[in-house]
Amino acid sequence: ETGVTQTPRHLVMGMTNKKSLKCEQHLGHNAMYWYKQSAKKPLELMFVYNFKEQTENNSVPSRFSPECPNSSHLFLHLHTLQPEDSALYLCASSQDWQTNTEAFFGQGTRLTVV
Amino acid sequence: SQQGEEDPQALSIQEGENATMNCSYKTSINNLQWYRQNSGRGLVHLILIRSNEREKHSGRLRVTLDTSKKSSSLLITASRAADTASYFCAITFSGGYQKVTFGTGTKLQVIP
Repeated sequence: ETGVTQTPRHLVMGMTNKKSLKCEQHLGHNAMYWYKQSAKKPLELMFVYNFKEQTENNSVPSRFSPECPNSSHLFLHLHTLQPEDSALYLCASSQDWQTNTEAFFGQGTRLTVV
Repeated sequence: SQQGEEDPQALSIQEGENATMNCSYKTSINNLQWYRQNSGRGLVHLILIRSNEREKHSGRLRVTLDTSKKSSSLLITASRAADTASYFCAITFSGGYQKVTFGTGTKLQVIP
């Protein structure tokens, strides 16, 4: 256990569905991240939140919508996804995004878009 | 690109042997981290080495950093079957804000 919990662990959704991924940490960290991991590609940083403010959006399509209501929770809202969006979505947290500290990762949500 | 690149892409060794993985990058860094990922799960932090450090140890792990060659290596000594996983280097860049980027990883298989 890393202290970062992601739910659900697996999700199958149709292209017209709307779903949300949830990430929770009680490590006292101030920065939270969403990463996408597709087969044979580098881990892609999608969004960064620092003290609840979005500080990074790596040209992610608008069908992915993040939400950070507080420093402990991070959501990724999904709508009208494409099959190529199928991937492992990883949430991570760190003390903050300005210091040289390790990131703690959740176990990921395996998303399949059908 | 600004991410590290691990080499080799895959490595298969016998239990008890040492495993060495390399990471190369192209820009100045603040630090470099190594992570392990078991199949389909989250990443686990192994070790962080700062740009002014040359070598760090943690248990059976030894990490070296050569900033002149822009490369790092991860050595796992006396490997065990449980070390079977993918290993990633993550780089935090100098200048501007700190952004951690990952490579595609080295897939290590340790055969019992």
